[in-house]
Amino acid sequence: DTAVSQTPKYLVTQMGNDKSIKCEQNLGHDTMYWYKQDSKKFLKIMFSYNNKELIINETVPNRFSPKSPDKAHLNLHINSLELGDSAVYFCASSQAGVPFFGQGTRLTVV
Amino acid sequence: DAKTTQPTSMDCAEGRAANLPCNHSTISGNEYVYWYRQIHSQGPQYIIHGLKNNETNEMASLIITEDRKSSTLILPHATLRDTAVYYCIVRVDSNYQLIWGAGTKLIIKP
Repeated sequence: DTAVSQTPKYLVTQMGNDKSIKCEQNLGHDTMYWYKQDSKKFLKIMFSYNNKELIINETVPNRFSPKSPDKAHLNLHINSLELGDSAVYFCASSQAGVPFFGQGTRLTVV
Repeated sequence: DAKTTQPTSMDCAEGRAANLPCNHSTISGNEYVYWYRQIHSQGPQYIIHGLKNNETNEMASLIITEDRKSSTLILPHATLRDTAVYYCIVRVDSNYQLIWGAGTKLIIKP
């Protein structure tokens, strides 16, 4: 009964491919997020999304797009993958301002 | 950019209290201080948060100075499983986003 779950946990793919990472939360939270953690371990927010509003970090390339089929899911689509996209991606959800994180997806672009 | 500064690393003996300092001298009046930890590449785990008053829960205590320019996270009886990177984070007032820094690597020694 994991609260925030992501799949896959590991993803290795070639440059130029298009891939998706799925995220589901069973906490009933209104807001979901995607974060990127780089090799220096800094966590940077990419998107926050609720039923009404998508907030995009302006530094995120438009090759990245969140898609939410319903309130409990926020998937991350990445087009034309580049070497620099290699990182750990975390999904999170929150209510009352406290985000709870998934276990992460380690993406390696080769 | 992160609004907090923390020591890069700290050691603590098992069974003793671990006191993790954090400076946030530019924090504004409505910005909360959050603490998370990340154990060996797992997803970040929420610990505690506060605004002005000291806070305590089952995991830790948060002591915020009266001028709010610094705070200390206290783990009262550290165990080996508390070895992790601890992040002190300010929640930005304008958009409620968490701005993460580099964190403190806490090593609990037997």
